[in-house]
Amino acid sequence: DAKTTQPNSMESNEEEPVHLPCNHSTISGTDYIHWYRQLPSQGPEYVIHGLTSNVNNRMASLAIAEDRKSSTLILHRATLRDAAVYYCILNTGNQFYFGTGTSLTVIP
Amino acid sequence: KAGVTQTPRYLIKTRGQQVTLSCSPISGHRSVSWYQQTPGQGLQFLFEYFSETQRNKGNFPGRFSGRQFSNSRSEMNVSTLELGDSALYLCASSSGLAGGLPNTQYFGPGTRLTVL
Repeated sequence: DAKTTQPNSMESNEEEPVHLPCNHSTISGTDYIHWYRQLPSQGPEYVIHGLTSNVNNRMASLAIAEDRKSSTLILHRATLRDAAVYYCILNTGNQFYFGTGTSLTVIP
Repeated sequence: KAGVTQTPRYLIKTRGQQVTLSCSPISGHRSVSWYQQTPGQGLQFLFEYFSETQRNKGNFPGRFSGRQFSNSRSEMNVSTLELGDSALYLCASSSGLAGGLPNTQYFGPGTRLTVL
C-alpha cells in the first residue's frame, strides 16, 4: 500500500492562506492524489484530487510537484470551520489507505 | 441526493457478544467500503464490497466480516467482541468503477461502538 507523510499538526491565522504539505515518494504512475478532511465527530469528507496537473475547486487548490513525489493542499483563506484533520491519500482503483493526517488549528 | 447513512449511530456491547452494523450508500453507488477508526491506529481499511462481492480486504482477523445486498446496502459483522474493538466504524460509498479512474468516496457519520 502506498504511503504518505504529513506533519502531525499545523496552525494558521484566520483569513490567511494555509499550505498543507504531503510527501509521497513511492507514488506509482497510476496513483491519484486525494485529500480528505475530517471535522470533529464527523466522517471524512472529500476535498480535492489530482493526478499530474494542479487542480482548483471551490474548497481548495492542489499543487502537485513535477515528479509527483509531493503535493500541497492550499486553503486560500482559512476560516474557523476549516479546523480539521487533513488526510493526503494515494489511490488506485477503490482502495484508500489513510495516513495519520495533519491536524489544522485555525487561530481567530 | 441523500448521503451515506449508518445505523445505529451508537452501540454498547459486552465482550464476547457479536454486533451487526448497517450502511446505506448513496443512490446509484455500487461500492461500499468499511473502515475502523481508533485514536491509536487511525483510519484503517477493513474491506470493500462491489456488486455483492468482496473486492478488497484489509488486514483484520476473520471475526470481522461483511456482506452486500442487491440494493448495494451493506452490513458489517464483528463476532466475539474484544475490548480493542471499541472504535468508530465508518462506511464509504463510491461508484466503484474500474479502469484506473479515481473513485471519490463519500463517508457516512459512523457508528460509535463501545465494548465493555
